[in-house]
Amino acid sequence: DAKTTQPTSMDCAEGRAANLPCNHSTISGNEYVYWYRQIHSQGPQYIIHGLKNNETNEMASLIITEDRKSSTLILPHATLRDTAVYYCIVREVTSGNTPLVFGKGTRLSVIA
Amino acid sequence: GAVVSQHPSWVICKSGTSVKIECRSLDFQATTMFWYRQFPKQSLMLMATSNEGSKATYEQGVEKDKFLINHASLTLSTLTVTSAHPEDSSFYICSASRSTDTQYFGPGTRLTVL
Repeated sequence: DAKTTQPTSMDCAEGRAANLPCNHSTISGNEYVYWYRQIHSQGPQYIIHGLKNNETNEMASLIITEDRKSSTLILPHATLRDTAVYYCIVREVTSGNTPLVFGKGTRLSVIA
Repeated sequence: GAVVSQHPSWVICKSGTSVKIECRSLDFQATTMFWYRQFPKQSLMLMATSNEGSKATYEQGVEKDKFLINHASLTLSTLTVTSAHPEDSSFYICSASRSTDTQYFGPGTRLTVL
C-alpha cells in the first residue's frame, strides 16, 4: 500500500504557483520523497526527489518539513501543460532496486 | 533525464493471440526494469520486477505464465501477453533504473484486445 496521502484534486489558475501537499507521517530515516506526474495517456514523468533538505530544479521545488512527515511540491508558475496527476511516493534507497508504489495522486487542473 | 522507450505505443489484437511489448533504456544500462499496468481512471499497479539475466519476480495475483517477461540485456526487457483476452486490455508501462538511481518511465503501450 502507498505510504502517502494526497488530496484527490486541486485547481490552480494559470500563471500562479501550484502548491501540492503530501503527508507521509510514517516515513523512515532512509526513505526519500519522490514526485512524479502523469499527463493523460502518457508514462509518469520524474519531477524531483529529496531526503530532508529542500530541493529545487528547473521543474519545481520540494519543501520537506523538519520532521519529514509532510512535504509540498511547488510549481512556481503553472501552465495549462502542467495539468496532470501528481504522485508523491516514498521509497527506500538501498543497494538493490525497489519499485515505486503509486497511490491515487492529486489531479491538478490548471485553469486559464 | 534518462530516456526509456516502449514499442509499440498501441496495439489492437484478437482474443487468443499473443502480444509482445518492448521496453528499452536508450542512454543507460538498466540493471532492473519494472512492468506496470494501468486501467482507466486507476493508478499504476506493479506487475513484476525484471532483473537482467535472471527470472522476473511477479506480484501477487499476476500470472507468470500469462505475462512472460524476458530481460535479456541491460537495455531491453520484453513483456509478452499470451493468449490475450479483452480483460487484458490496459495501459502497460515499463520503468528502468541504473541501480539505486531514479526510475524513468516509458511512454506506455495501450493494448486493446477484441
